[in-house]
Amino acid sequence: DAMVIQNPRYQVTQFGKPVTLSCSQTLNHNVMYWYQQKSSQAPKLLFHYYDKDFNNEADTPDNFQSRRPNTSFCFLDIRSPGLGDAAMYLCATSRDLKDLEQYFGPGTRLTVT
Amino acid sequence: GEDVEQSLFLSVREGDSSVINCTYTDSSSTYLYWYKQEPGAGLQLLTYIFSNMDMKQDQRLTVLLNKKDKHLSLRIADTQTGDSAIYFCAETDSGSARQLTFGSGTQLTVLP
Repeated sequence: DAMVIQNPRYQVTQFGKPVTLSCSQTLNHNVMYWYQQKSSQAPKLLFHYYDKDFNNEADTPDNFQSRRPNTSFCFLDIRSPGLGDAAMYLCATSRDLKDLEQYFGPGTRLTVT
Repeated sequence: GEDVEQSLFLSVREGDSSVINCTYTDSSSTYLYWYKQEPGAGLQLLTYIFSNMDMKQDQRLTVLLNKKDKHLSLRIADTQTGDSAIYFCAETDSGSARQLTFGSGTQLTVLP
């Protein structure tokens, strides 16, 4: 009954080597979100998609991009990962922007060597 | 900007009550939330409270909101080992889940 699925759960990449994290959902929700959560810190919203409309947070670095090819899938691309990008990346969905609840995936822990 | 603060750690004995506290700065917060994150899992919404309420109870969970002091608490009655997790306080001022601001989370450890 998985609802928000993230693959892989653990990802190791090299400094500067592009990496893509994947999220899929079975809820048919319109909105998908990507958060970055560093150790002992609050999740920080990077961007969200409302349907095909992409919305970037003002302080999200250009190094982070996202794609949503269809309702079910959303990808986070990190073009040139730095050591400071090591974190847990959380994907979440909501039915629409007025929905009070977000449904989170289990996260992908990214290590940069 | 908005700020949400929580203490990092709390330990309680099994069967005792746990109280996790949160303070926030945004006086226009409309909804306040408690999320739970178990090891290796995503965040799970436990409960939320609208800012015109001062208390909400749901089984073993009681949320208290002091809007004047901008203080939110989550009380877990009869705490069990399965309650061990990180608890995140969050708020939004727009009524939209889109603009959640999270605290750093409180690690609750339940001792046998």
